[in-house]
Amino acid sequence: GAGVSQSPSNKVTEKGKDVELRCDPISGHTALYWYRQSLGQGLEFLIYFQGNSAPDKSGLPSDRFSAERTGGSVSTLTIQRTQQEDSAVYLCASSPYISEEKLFFGSGTQLSVL
Amino acid sequence: GENVEQHPSTLSVQEGDSAVIKCTYSDSASNYFPWYKQELGKRPQLIIDIRSNVGEKKDQRIAVTLNKTAKHFSLHITETQPEDSAVYFCAALQGAQKLVFGQGTRLTINP
Repeated sequence: GAGVSQSPSNKVTEKGKDVELRCDPISGHTALYWYRQSLGQGLEFLIYFQGNSAPDKSGLPSDRFSAERTGGSVSTLTIQRTQQEDSAVYLCASSPYISEEKLFFGSGTQLSVL
Repeated sequence: GENVEQHPSTLSVQEGDSAVIKCTYSDSASNYFPWYKQELGKRPQLIIDIRSNVGEKKDQRIAVTLNKTAKHFSLHITETQPEDSAVYFCAALQGAQKLVFGQGTRLTINP
C-alpha cells in the first residue's frame, strides 16, 4: 500500500475485554514497530519485529500484551483483560530494514477502555 | 538501556522568532538522533536527523546540533511560522534496532 495502515482507527471497549489492533506495513518493509502514546506523553516503545521474529519485547507493559507478525507483513497487537490505564493511541511504524532508521508511522488506533 | 530526556515540554514563541528544543541521552553508544514532528491529529513524521560523526546539520529553517561529549542534542527552528506549531519528538537509536523517544515538546507559534 501507499503507507502504513492501522485498524481500527478508534476502539472503545469495556474493562476486562480483549482487543486486537492491526498494522499493515508498507509493502517490502521488513522492520515493524509498535509504540504507545498516552495523552500528552511521548512515544513509548512496546516491541519491534524483524521479519516474523521479535528480538526485543522489553517494552511490553505486562503479560496481558502480546504481538505477532505473520508472513513478514501484517502484525497484530493483542491486549487481554483491558484496563483503563491501557487507554492510549497505539502507533505502528515500519522501515525497509532494521539498519534503515527512518520510521514511517501509521495513523494509530485510539483505544478507550471504559 | 537508553533514556532520552526532552525539554521544555511546552514552548510558545512569536512568529518570526527562533525556537530551541533540547534533549539529553544516556547511552554513549547511541549514534543516530532523529527529530519527528507530529501535527495535531496526524502521524509523526521525520523532519531531520543527525549521526554521531557530525556536529551540526541544517535543512532550510531547521538545524540540529549534537554534542557527543555532553550527550545532548538540540533542534533549532528559525523564522518560525504558524505551520511550525506541532509536537516535536527527539529520539536516540539504542543498538541497531530500537528508537527511544523523548516525551515531546508542544510548540505553539503565536501570530
